Amino acid sequence: AQKITQTQPGMFVQEKEAVTLDCTYDTSDPSYGLFWYKQPSSGEMIFLIYQGSYDQQNATEGRYSLNFQKARKSANLVISASQLGDSAMYFCAMIPGRDSSYKLIFGSGTRLLVRP
Amino acid sequence: NAGVTQTPKFRVLKTGQSMTLLCAQDMNHEYMYWYRQDPGMGLRLIHYSVGEGTTAKGEVPDGYNVSRLKKQNFLLGLESAAPSQTSVYFCASSYLADNEQFFGPGTRLTVL
Repeated sequence: AQKITQTQPGMFVQEKEAVTLDCTYDTSDPSYGLFWYKQPSSGEMIFLIYQGSYDQQNATEGRYSLNFQKARKSANLVISASQLGDSAMYFCAMIPGRDSSYKLIFGSGTRLLVRP
Repeated sequence: NAGVTQTPKFRVLKTGQSMTLLCAQDMNHEYMYWYRQDPGMGLRLIHYSVGEGTTAKGEVPDGYNVSRLKKQNFLLGLESAAPSQTSVYFCASSYLADNEQFFGPGTRLTVL
């Protein structure tokens, strides 16, 4: 079964500290893409970072990095130097395989609250 | 460059009424998608399109129809709304199938 699991429904982090949001995935396809999206309280979905299954290096985008451990099927999001504006829901998602229905499979999300 | 836009932003329907949600993108993307988001859950794919004139079913297609008559527009229709269709609906588009998807602001639909 193709599935994304986010086991942390909610997390707190102190401003300026780093935080890791967990994501594990399940697919039998050798080729897949992993994504993280941010959903602030205003509701829009904002793309953060992408990791391809064949990428040798972990993806980074500014303060966001993806800790990709292929053997463990995990794709954790690391946010460095947290800011108050990082408070939001974070969704891990996957597009499994090149011949799939192109759908993004989403996890249930992690709500992050950054404390001042 | 507006990205992905959705109309309307909010709508309240009575059971049995019909409506159409409009999604438009100005990025010349081939792929477009309709998702629904329910409380405590991630997004689930309703229908998608891989190009003008094509549509396909996603994970939860029942009760919805779609059309892609123009490349930039993707319409989602509810022929006979049911309370179970109360949700937030997101449209998205992407350049390639495995690229990041860009989302619209969402439509909050309530069916009484």
